[in-house]
Amino acid sequence: EVQLVESGGGLVQPGGSLRLSCAASGFTFSSYSMNWVRQAPGKGLEWVSYISSSSSTIYYADSVKGRFTISRDNAKNSLYLQMNSLRDEDTAVYYCARVGPGMWNAFDIWGQGTMVTVSS
Amino acid sequence: EIVLTQSPATLSLSPGERATLSCGASQSVSSSYLAWYQQKPGLAPRLLIYDASSRATGIPDRFSGSGSGTDFTLTISRLEPEDFAVYYCQQYGSSPSITFGQGTRLEIK
Repeated sequence: EVQLVESGGGLVQPGGSLRLSCAASGFTFSSYSMNWVRQAPGKGLEWVSYISSSSSTIYYADSVKGRFTISRDNAKNSLYLQMNSLRDEDTAVYYCARVGPGMWNAFDIWGQGTMVTVSS
Repeated sequence: EIVLTQSPATLSLSPGERATLSCGASQSVSSSYLAWYQQKPGLAPRLLIYDASSRATGIPDRFSGSGSGTDFTLTISRLEPEDFAVYYCQQYGSSPSITFGQGTRLEIK
């Protein structure tokens, strides 16, 4: 079964750091570009970051640029999001999402999400 | 950045009726790189349509997408009870920026 499972969320104080992980299974992880997408409580979806299959291309939303770092370890079938200098407005459910085959950058597989709460 | 505006914000219909959801873009969407997702409470989004009109794997044919340029539409031909959810459009043709619409809530009348 094709699956993505996020972990690493939790409660953190403003200015703190957190590292999210996304474990992939059921497909050849190294062949797919990946993304992080977040959703604040009761709000819509916001794209956060993109990484190509070989890590050669990386993009960030302006709202997280300079604070968040996306990375991957294809040997471990894992995607990561290092989040530093966290702000209240970063509070959200964070999803990892796979770019579908031949879909340019539409997301065909999503994880269940991990909640990040930034609060003092 | 391309801004996507979805309308209406809320759509109230009955099972068996036809639903038409709109997504307007502030600039032309390159190569019709537009997708539609369905999200139910507490769950992750599910891809329905990509490249404006291609159905994703396993999506029933009552879901269809159309449009190009700045105007796109998701149509659900005959609503089933499980179709009541929130729907988002997404453009992915304007690298590196990917944007989503604010969503349309489809509720049972």
